[in-house]
Amino acid sequence: SQTIHQWPATLVQPVGSPLSLECTVEGTSNPNLYWYRQAAGRGLQLLFYSVGIGQISSEVPQNLSASRPQDRQFILSSKKLLLSDSGFYLCAWSVARRIRVHTEAFFGQGTRLTVV
Amino acid sequence: GNSVTQMEGPVTLSEEAFLTINCTYTATGYPSLFWYVQYPGEGLQLLLKATKADDKGSNKGFEATYRKETTSFHLEKGSVQVSDSAVYFCALSDIIGNQFYFGTGTSLTVIP
Repeated sequence: SQTIHQWPATLVQPVGSPLSLECTVEGTSNPNLYWYRQAAGRGLQLLFYSVGIGQISSEVPQNLSASRPQDRQFILSSKKLLLSDSGFYLCAWSVARRIRVHTEAFFGQGTRLTVV
Repeated sequence: GNSVTQMEGPVTLSEEAFLTINCTYTATGYPSLFWYVQYPGEGLQLLLKATKADDKGSNKGFEATYRKETTSFHLEKGSVQVSDSAVYFCALSDIIGNQFYFGTGTSLTVIP
């Protein structure tokens, strides 16, 4: 069966420090991968998605970036964190559309990031 | 474009009350529709889904019917429990693109 791992679970970082959040998926190949952010009491904001290695689509301009160095690894990074980067970050994956048209997204447990 | 609009919360119900959370969508083509549930401090879990018009998704006593004529996918449960307290998200995915579109979430609190 497929599983998704996301770490760390919680993180407290000072303003201006770098960030690296990692997400890996097991039990599937060529997944679509997603990073979402959820601000306190608000909905989900899609940050990045990827349909393959090295293929990253950015949905919002910000000081965050994403990379997909391996097929089942998705990394969210920042060179210098801002206070406004605080939030709950969720990684998700789905089966590629070309394999299964009607597919749901599967989410990791999330990372609670607090920038102080 | 694609979007999801869901009922604003928070919603507070007594145990065994009937639940409805409204969800309407805008989409090109024929999307798949989903309800996700998020418990405090956790990620989202798929609750139920429907992939074509008139499909009914169901799980754990929750139901939602894909209504193409009204572009709706309302979530219902006949008798809620305290353990149903969570945030519920309506979502859609189009069959062409690779994105999922989520509503803003509805917080449900069930009191004994």
